[in-house]
Amino acid sequence: DTGVSQNPRHKITKRGQNVTFRCDPISEHNRLYWYRQTLGQGPEFLTYFQNEAQLEKSRLLSDRFSAERPKGSFSTLEIQRTEQGDSAMYLCASSFSIQSSPLHFGNGTRLTVT
Amino acid sequence: GQQVMQIPQYQHVQEGEDFTTYCNSSTTLSNIQWYKQRPGGHPVFLIQLVKSGEVKKQKRLTFQFGEAKKNSSLHITATQTTDVGTYFCADGSGNTGKLIFGQGTTLQVKP
Repeated sequence: DTGVSQNPRHKITKRGQNVTFRCDPISEHNRLYWYRQTLGQGPEFLTYFQNEAQLEKSRLLSDRFSAERPKGSFSTLEIQRTEQGDSAMYLCASSFSIQSSPLHFGNGTRLTVT
Repeated sequence: GQQVMQIPQYQHVQEGEDFTTYCNSSTTLSNIQWYKQRPGGHPVFLIQLVKSGEVKKQKRLTFQFGEAKKNSSLHITATQTTDVGTYFCADGSGNTGKLIFGQGTTLQVKP
């Protein structure tokens, strides 16, 4: 078990471009979460999956953001028409589907929109 | 909506001094989790508190859950440089496993 893996580690893109990030969770975990973190803030919830089903999306998540987990294993997070305000660290986490099971975070993808 | 507030936002201490961070919620929490994020790293789970008035210890770290389950604290005795990082509390009251994180307290330790 190598933990939660995220790719790429860094992404620099120009405003208006689309970007896609990938997350490979711990294989035994059936819950997968996406969070966003900006400097000096705690992780902010974006969305979560139980197996392949996306069960909750934050109201903060605009329609430019979409996430998938097609086979209940890895997940992708796509941001269309990026804006400078999208610059942040995007963290993926996974857990067992037991109430209050701790989250295991990946190292994140740092997005910079120029 | 759900919110957990943490204070202080920053704390600078001399190595060997104690440190405490506080977490407060306006609503009753079913459980609270604590995470540590080292500079440049990702949040790492430390502990979970579930019961009213619960106290748990991990070496020099002491975690408490308030009697009313609306507040929690993390106390570090005799800080070391390895304690540097940001400590987050997180509300795990939802039944989805989703956590609502506080803003964190960043600890700097001067050797």
